[in-house]
Amino acid sequence: NAGVMQNPRHLVRRRGQEARLRCSPMKGHSHVYWYRQLPEEGLKFMVYLQKENIIDESGMPKERFSAEFPKEGPSILRIQQVVRGDSAAYFCASSERQGAIYEQYFGPGTRLTVT
Amino acid sequence: DAKTTQPPSMDCAEGRAANLPCNHSTISGNEYVYWYRQIHSQGPQYIIHGLKNNETNEMASLIITEDRKSSTLILPHATLRDTAVYYCIAPDAGGTSYGKLTFGQGTILTVHP
Repeated sequence: NAGVMQNPRHLVRRRGQEARLRCSPMKGHSHVYWYRQLPEEGLKFMVYLQKENIIDESGMPKERFSAEFPKEGPSILRIQQVVRGDSAAYFCASSERQGAIYEQYFGPGTRLTVT
Repeated sequence: DAKTTQPPSMDCAEGRAANLPCNHSTISGNEYVYWYRQIHSQGPQYIIHGLKNNETNEMASLIITEDRKSSTLILPHATLRDTAVYYCIAPDAGGTSYGKLTFGQGTILTVHP
């Protein structure tokens, strides 16, 4: 059973460009979460999605960041007009069902570098 | 989330048991305790969770005190690959932070040869 997949693993963007990070949850998992880890800092929750719905986006910066989890295909975290402060590791996690939402399985992360 | 307190770092000899403590004195009756770990630069890894009974799986054992104010994660035979940051988390059972894991500073466990 394949784990959570994220791509790309490494992404380099110039300031002002857009970054698109993809996450495919584990098979059978319908809950997806995105977390960010800034250099030398802890993991911070960004957003919680179910298919076609954003459940909690309280950790998302108010501007430039958006997330979706369409009916078909992977979840996408989109960062518009990236700035150097967006350089971080972005982790996606998934969980199976309502009664196990805190049993989250994480992907390997996407390391975003903004130059 | 209930506030959790963990020592910042611990050492353990390879092959010995690693016992990682966590205090969660404000935990409410229906809040579980979850343990995760993050090996350097990898994604966090779920280890185990429990409510009030002791739990064991292929990775670790979780001992929760009867008053539920603290717990201990036990890695019975630590290996070098267990060197990681270990997080104890007690998520809010049904409040506004539903689904959100809040990672604190955790405990840096270093396993020595």
